[in-house]
Amino acid sequence: NAGVTQTPKFQVLKTGQSMTLQCAQDMNHNSMYWYRQDPGMGLRLIYYSASEGTTDKGEVPNGYNVSRLNKREFSLRLESAAPSQTSVYFCASTGAGSYNEQFFGPGTRLTVL
Amino acid sequence: KQEVTQIPAALSVPEGENLVLNCSFTDSAIYNLQWFRQDPGKGLTSLLLIQSSQREQTSGRLNASLDKSSGRSTLYIAASQPGDSATYLCAPTRGGYNKLIFGAGTRLAVHP
Repeated sequence: NAGVTQTPKFQVLKTGQSMTLQCAQDMNHNSMYWYRQDPGMGLRLIYYSASEGTTDKGEVPNGYNVSRLNKREFSLRLESAAPSQTSVYFCASTGAGSYNEQFFGPGTRLTVL
Repeated sequence: KQEVTQIPAALSVPEGENLVLNCSFTDSAIYNLQWFRQDPGKGLTSLLLIQSSQREQTSGRLNASLDKSSGRSTLYIAASQPGDSATYLCAPTRGGYNKLIFGAGTRLAVHP
């Protein structure tokens, strides 16, 4: 039982390049989330997927797209990376209902030059 | 809009002290509130989850309380140890689907 896994762990991009961050969970959770964490700040929600087949915007969605590939996998895509997207990205998941604990992956540290 | 504030921003204490970390939030219409621990360069580890109908939760040396009406939660750490050194994050929910809103955290250093 690996929990929430993310790939890659580290990535360096040049401005304008694209990439996809991968996330998978093996806890049979319905909902999945992408957050970003910047120095000195709390995590901010980028996008979430309440259930398989649905996605919705969070606080800071601009510059990102997501795909809920199946119940296990939720990917985040940067189409044209910008230096402002330099951050640590965390994926999380939770079971059905509003009272469930959210579990986080180890994060992807992204630098955009 | 839900805003979360954590006080103090940083704390340095000798081993053995009992600690109080504070979290306040502006919108009391929450479903639950989670406390997390984050070690440098690592992901978040869930410590405690308090549902909106509960007043407190305990796990080992940790106790978290919730006062929804006043928009406050407190994390108590008893008999602190150097291994407790980390950043502690508070996150109440906002709206449905368990969307969490995070504070900036309290950075704790416990020295021997």
